[in-house]
Order: sequence, then structure tokens, then C-alpha cells
Amino acid sequence: AQTVTQSQPEMSVQEAETVTLSCTYDTSESDYYLFWYKQPPSRQMILVIRQEAYKQQNATENRFSVNFQKAAKSFSLKISDSQLGDAAMYFCAYRRLAGNTPLVFGKGTRLSVIA
Amino acid sequence: KAGVTQTPRYLIKTRGQQVTLSCSPISGHRSVSWYQQTPGQGLQFLFEYFSETQRNKGNFPGRFSGRQFSNSRSEMNVSTLELGDSALYLCASSSNPGTGLNSPLHFGNGTRLTVT
Repeated sequence: AQTVTQSQPEMSVQEAETVTLSCTYDTSESDYYLFWYKQPPSRQMILVIRQEAYKQQNATENRFSVNFQKAAKSFSLKISDSQLGDAAMYFCAYRRLAGNTPLVFGKGTRLSVIA
Repeated sequence: KAGVTQTPRYLIKTRGQQVTLSCSPISGHRSVSWYQQTPGQGLQFLFEYFSETQRNKGNFPGRFSGRQFSNSRSEMNVSTLELGDSALYLCASSSNPGTGLNSPLHFGNGTRLTVT
């Protein structure tokens, strides 16, 4: 079974600084998708960024980028120029390419942004 | 487009009772998934429905059940509530299940269930 591990339960960053959240996963598949979701206090999970495993290029969405290391099964999220609104729980998630399989989530990292 | 709507937002029930939670997906989305979120276990998959059929089921006891209606709205039911069922229940919809990247999950705000 696939598993997703986020080794940092909590992180903090100064406003305007850069922070990197770690995620590793375990799978025997070669093709799959990876996601980062953000859950603010409103509780709604919001998709931040997504990556296809068969694409070498790291995904980027404005201030959010990933470092995808397929061989190491690592998918870290970098947030640049951190803003107070970035404070939230961040979840890394995995989904197989083939078939209708559910997302498998890590347990999350709580990010605090210090003004 | 309106987002995924879950009702109610909060619910308090007594052990042994049953509860029904509702989820209205984004218009045009035919897949609805349910997740249970707790501090200890994180997000755990309950089930997924597509066109009124259950396509996937997580590892939860039979007390947890769901259904989907012809308008894609979904309900989940938990019978004989236990204290451990206290959690945030999240519903998510997507347009094309199984296509992963091009059809990401869109989540609602969840229903916070407290069992006393």
C-alpha cells in the first residue's frame, strides 16, 4: 500500500522568508500524481500545486514550487516570500495514475507565519 | 460556480445515535469522495461514488455507509455512533474520477461531528 510521510508536524517562517515543507512517499508504481493541499482555519482543503511523476520538470505556481526527486521518492514544497495568509495545515497527497484510486494523504505540517 | 457544499457545519450527537451528513458537489461533477479527518489518523478515505455507484471503499466498518443521488448529491450515514467517530468529515468532488491531475479533488468545508 502507498504511504505518504510528512516528517515535520510543525514549521514556522518569518514573513517574506522562504520555507520548505518535506514529503516522502512509498510506492512501487512508476506513474502517479502528487499534490500539495492547504487547509486554513476555514477547514476547506485548497489545491496548491500538483505534479505528474512522469514529468521531470518541477511544478511551479506563483510563490509555490516543488522539488520532485523521483528516485528518492521525495516531493517537497517551497513557499517563497511567505505571507501571513500562508499560515495553514499543508498536506502532501499521492494518487496512482491508473484506475480510480483515492488520494492518500500525509498527516500534515502546520505552518505558522511570524510577522 | 458554487463550490462543494456540506451540511451541516457542526453536529453534536450522543453515542449510539445515527447521523446523516450531506454533500452537494460542484455543478457538473459526478464523482463524490468522503474523507474522515482526525488529529491522530489524519485524512482517511471513506468511499467514493460516481453516477450513483460506489466505486471505492476505504477500510471502515459497516456502520459507515453512503449513497449518491441522480443529481450527484451524496449523503453519508454513520449508525450506532461511537466516541471515536468524532471527526471532521470532508467531502470532495471531481469531474472525472481516475484522471488524476486533470481532475483534482475540490473539497467542501467539512462537517464537524462531535459524539458525546
